[in-house]
Amino acid sequence: DAKTTQPPSMDCAEGRAANLPCNHSTISGNEYVYWYRQIHSQGPQYIIHGLKNNETNEMASLIITEDRKSSTLILPHATLRDTAVYYCIVRVKAAGNKLTFGGGTRVLVKP
Amino acid sequence: GAVVSQHPSWVICKSGTSVKIECRSLDFQATTMFWYRQFPKQSLMLMATSNEGSKATYEQGVEKDKFLINHASLTLSTLTVTSAHPEDSSFYICNVRREDSYNEQFFGPGTRLTVL
Repeated sequence: DAKTTQPPSMDCAEGRAANLPCNHSTISGNEYVYWYRQIHSQGPQYIIHGLKNNETNEMASLIITEDRKSSTLILPHATLRDTAVYYCIVRVKAAGNKLTFGGGTRVLVKP
Repeated sequence: GAVVSQHPSWVICKSGTSVKIECRSLDFQATTMFWYRQFPKQSLMLMATSNEGSKATYEQGVEKDKFLINHASLTLSTLTVTSAHPEDSSFYICNVRREDSYNEQFFGPGTRLTVL
C-alpha cells in the first residue's frame, strides 16, 4: 500500500471548517483513499473513502486532486467532539485488505 | 449501534499470567479479522490477520507463540497474550471485515491491557 504524509497536528476553531491535508504521491491507480479518526481511547471510526471523484457524506467531504497525489478531508462545521487523531490511508479496495496506519493528524477543536 | 464488541474493555494482570481478549462481530459474519495494538501516543500497528478455520498470519516481528490467535467461528476471534510482561501493556484493537456485499470493515472499541 502507498504511504501517506499528514501534518502531525492542527488546531481549528469550533464552528469553522477544518481542512485536513494528506499527501499520497505514490498512490496506484487501483488504490482508494480512506479516512478514519480515533477519539482518545476508542477504536478508529470510518469517515469516508474515494477513488478519484470528490465524495461527501453526513460526516465530511473528501476532495481528491486530479492527479490523485493528494487529498483533503473537510469537516464542514467542526465541533469539540471532532477532536481526534485523523488517519489518511490508501489501499486497494480488495476483500479483507489490511489497513496500514501512518502517524495521522492530531486535530484539536477549540471553543 | 456497535457492530463489533471486545471483551474485556480493560484488564489489569500480574506479570507472567496470560490474558485472553475476545473480538465479536455482532450481526454479521466475518472470515477475516485483524488485530492491532497501540502504544501511548503512537499509531496503530497491525499484529496479525485472523482467518476463520485456519492459522493466523502474523506481521514481521510479532511472536506467534506469545500472541495466540484463535478464530474458531465466523463471529469470534480471540487474542491470548501469554506470559504477559509490562512491555505488553498496550491498547489492543480488532478490525472486522463484513462478509457480504457491503465489504465494510469495522473496528472494535479496544481493550486496554495493563501488566503489573
